[in-house]
Amino acid sequence: QSVLTQPPSASGTPGQRVTISCSGSFSNIGSNTVNWYKQLPGTAPKLLIYTSSQRPSGVPDRFSGSKSGTSASLAIGGLQSEDEADYYCATWDDSLNGVVFGGGTKLTVL
Amino acid sequence: EVQLLESGGGLVQPGGSLRLSCAASGFTFSSYAMSWVRQAPGKGLEWVSGISGSGGATYYAESVKGRFTISRDNSKNTLDLQMKSLRGEDTAVYYCAKVGTIGWYVLDYWGQGTLVTLSS
Repeated sequence: QSVLTQPPSASGTPGQRVTISCSGSFSNIGSNTVNWYKQLPGTAPKLLIYTSSQRPSGVPDRFSGSKSGTSASLAIGGLQSEDEADYYCATWDDSLNGVVFGGGTKLTVL
Repeated sequence: EVQLLESGGGLVQPGGSLRLSCAASGFTFSSYAMSWVRQAPGKGLEWVSGISGSGGATYYAESVKGRFTISRDNSKNTLDLQMKSLRGEDTAVYYCAKVGTIGWYVLDYWGQGTLVTLSS
């Protein structure tokens, strides 16, 4: 069981907007910002969003993040086939004194 | 260009030990904290351990505390993970990751991983 809760799957058609949620508690999301990682099959994860809403250089502005209370979300607009991947949220947990990840969401582009 | 190259993975028996290494280049290694993250076959990501830039502060997941030791050699730009008393649930790809400047959980660069397999 992951400390952060994500839906196991999500899907959309090309051009659509999809949102992936990430739910936590006061000791993690409630007290710290959230990062999102994208992982293509057989490859290492890649930082997609940091401090809840910032994009690293090179990440398209189709990707956006937000946080409210003890939940966060990742939105992907103008869905493309290359967006098909696993997405993970992560943050620091003040009680566990460590990084915690969500269980991951497999995004399928139909 | 930041590069992280893990090595040391392999097949090990339950109860055994293994030492993973990560060779870093392309950035001032001693200025950044580093972490190890693992991924069991077909499963999600699990943070394992982190170490500050100086090596003076270390953190561990409960699942590995007392069995794994993280260390670094800033003169050689290398990060290590000494794993002892290995269990079947330690089977995973182990990734070395660079921690960004903002916080411990911002892992801005990742290596390609090294596979550790527990089997008797």
